[in-house]
Amino acid sequence: EDQVTQSPEALRLQEGESSSLNCSYTVSGLRGLFWYRQDPGKGPEFLFTLYSAGEEKEKERLKATLTKKESFLHITAPKPEDSATYLCAVGSNSGYALNFGKGTSLLVTP
Amino acid sequence: KAGVTQTPRYLIKTRGQQVTLSCSPISGHRSVSWYQQTPGQGLQFLFEYFSETQRNKGNFPGRFSGRQFSNSRSEMNVSTLELGDSALYLCASSLHRGLTEAFFGQGTRLTVV
Repeated sequence: EDQVTQSPEALRLQEGESSSLNCSYTVSGLRGLFWYRQDPGKGPEFLFTLYSAGEEKEKERLKATLTKKESFLHITAPKPEDSATYLCAVGSNSGYALNFGKGTSLLVTP
Repeated sequence: KAGVTQTPRYLIKTRGQQVTLSCSPISGHRSVSWYQQTPGQGLQFLFEYFSETQRNKGNFPGRFSGRQFSNSRSEMNVSTLELGDSALYLCASSLHRGLTEAFFGQGTRLTVV
């Protein structure tokens, strides 16, 4: 059965303090790994798709990387507006549904 | 370019009632998926529709159903509501089936009392 585990569950950073969020996965054939950002009371906002090990994508202060077992979302010099829940999801050969992790709740303080 | 639109945004229903939620995907997107989000379980897949046909179904009871119209708009229905059905229901649209990017709507917050 496909499994997605995100860590830590919650993370508090000072503004400018860089860190990484982890997404470990076990799937029967990875078809894609997705990162989303979700603000309270809103739907997830698409950030990145990664398809193969070694792939990296960047957007502003965020950089996503992928290995055969996990993905990292690196946040460089975060700002308070980066505070949100970051969700990781995988798609596998077992179907077209996305299997989501529980998310990492990030709080960036001034 | 308009995003995914879900209506209504908020809904309060009584146990035993039924409810219908609506989702209008991004123009040109043909695949619509529904997810349930709760604090304890996170996001869980309900079903996927493509070309008016349900292609995939998650592990939810038969009280949860849906359909897709020829214009790709989708509705989901929950009958005989239970307190545990209280959740944020999210709709996601994709250009194709498979793993192109899925874009989510703002969700419908359903509260069952």
